[in-house]
Amino acid sequence: QKEVEQDPGPLSVPEGAIVSLNCTYSNSAFQYFMWYRQYSRKGPELLMYTYSSGNKEDGRFTAQVDKSSKYISLFIRDSQPSDSATYLCAMRSYSSASKIIFGSGTRLSIRP
Amino acid sequence: SQTIHQWPATLVQPVGSPLSLECTVEGTSNPNLYWYRQAAGRGLQLLFYSVGIGQISSEVPQNLSASRPQDRQFILSSKKLLLSDSGFYLCAWSVLNSSYNEQFFGPGTRLTVL
Repeated sequence: QKEVEQDPGPLSVPEGAIVSLNCTYSNSAFQYFMWYRQYSRKGPELLMYTYSSGNKEDGRFTAQVDKSSKYISLFIRDSQPSDSATYLCAMRSYSSASKIIFGSGTRLSIRP
Repeated sequence: SQTIHQWPATLVQPVGSPLSLECTVEGTSNPNLYWYRQAAGRGLQLLFYSVGIGQISSEVPQNLSASRPQDRQFILSSKKLLLSDSGFYLCAWSVLNSSYNEQFFGPGTRLTVL
């Protein structure tokens, strides 16, 4: 079993829709959670990060962590064609500062 | 502000040839540095990381090696490339001792071994 599971998609939604991207994980020691966005043929860019459980909002993006279910989500409101990219979740434990575990990424396409 | 550079952007090499990919970071001192490989449709595989000059940790045993000759320079090398070395190579940096250790990625090098 992989430490982090992420549906690869592709996920295609119309412009303006709310998008929900999710990851599950198996290591209960994970405490730091991140979301990266990667455009085609580019390096990933950090979108959001959260610590432990709860929600964090930044503009149209909301990151949610449910540690009891070992489940994290990224919501995108009012989705735009420019949001079309691959989204990778990432996480690490408190003790393993150098080792971030990445999901395989979900490919998202926003239809105009 | 911090900037991370990688070169070359694209590389096509024959099997058995050597490899040298370079990564440099500007605007920060003593960063943690990382090399990742991303195969098509797969996640990021950590290859090496470094917390200082000459300090390299290897995550995956293979025919690749890494060196950090200067504080903000990280080099990925191979003496003889294999077909399985094809992929998208990403260099990343993070701030030493930050809470999240969030990593910032370079533009990547797309390597094709023929």
